[in-house]
Amino acid sequence: KAGVTQTPRYLIKTRGQQVTLSCSPISGHRSVSWYQQTPGQGLQFLFEYFSETQRNKGNFPGRFSGRQFSNSRSEMNVSTLELGDSALYLCASSYSSGGSEAFFGQGTRLTVV
Amino acid sequence: AQRVTQPEKLLSVFKGAPVELKCNYSYSGSPELFWYVQYSRQRLQLLLRHISRESIKGFTADLNKGETSFHLKKPFAQEEDSAMYYCALNAGGYNKLIFGAGTRLAVHP
Repeated sequence: KAGVTQTPRYLIKTRGQQVTLSCSPISGHRSVSWYQQTPGQGLQFLFEYFSETQRNKGNFPGRFSGRQFSNSRSEMNVSTLELGDSALYLCASSYSSGGSEAFFGQGTRLTVV
Repeated sequence: AQRVTQPEKLLSVFKGAPVELKCNYSYSGSPELFWYVQYSRQRLQLLLRHISRESIKGFTADLNKGETSFHLKKPFAQEEDSAMYYCALNAGGYNKLIFGAGTRLAVHP
């Protein structure tokens, strides 16, 4: 079966703009989590959705938001981009509501200039 | 506070040598611990989890609650084991992973 798909793979945005990243989970997976990966901070949890409900949110400013659709696809949005938002954004999907294996996408590389 | 510590950024060994990648965690409840691996140009993937108590690609990891550790071990390293290894804690029952900083394992011929 197809893996987790993230689009786009690469993005270059200007400071102050906003961006939307997309994640299509593995078919049948209802949980989608988002992570930010940077050289300085490593992998940090952003938020998790299960059946269209945000259940967990990491320690990120309100400029970071997300949503999940009825088909489990998820989007995350970052508004008023800052240079420090440059990172690899990873999406992971899981089958069950907790504690199951997370399947990761290839990530979206966001560069803010 | 929930935290995962991987003290080594880089572990360099020769083929056939034993390997131990260290992981310590901080969590007051009952933890679920995982090792994820990222090979060159591949996506992050699960290597093993503590509840399954299985050996994957020759790797094992035992949860030691007394020492709050979940070290990854392999008796004889292979060149194909070269990768980035992340220890992760799932705390709270949801699909929220707290990752360590990662250890790069380099296995030399």
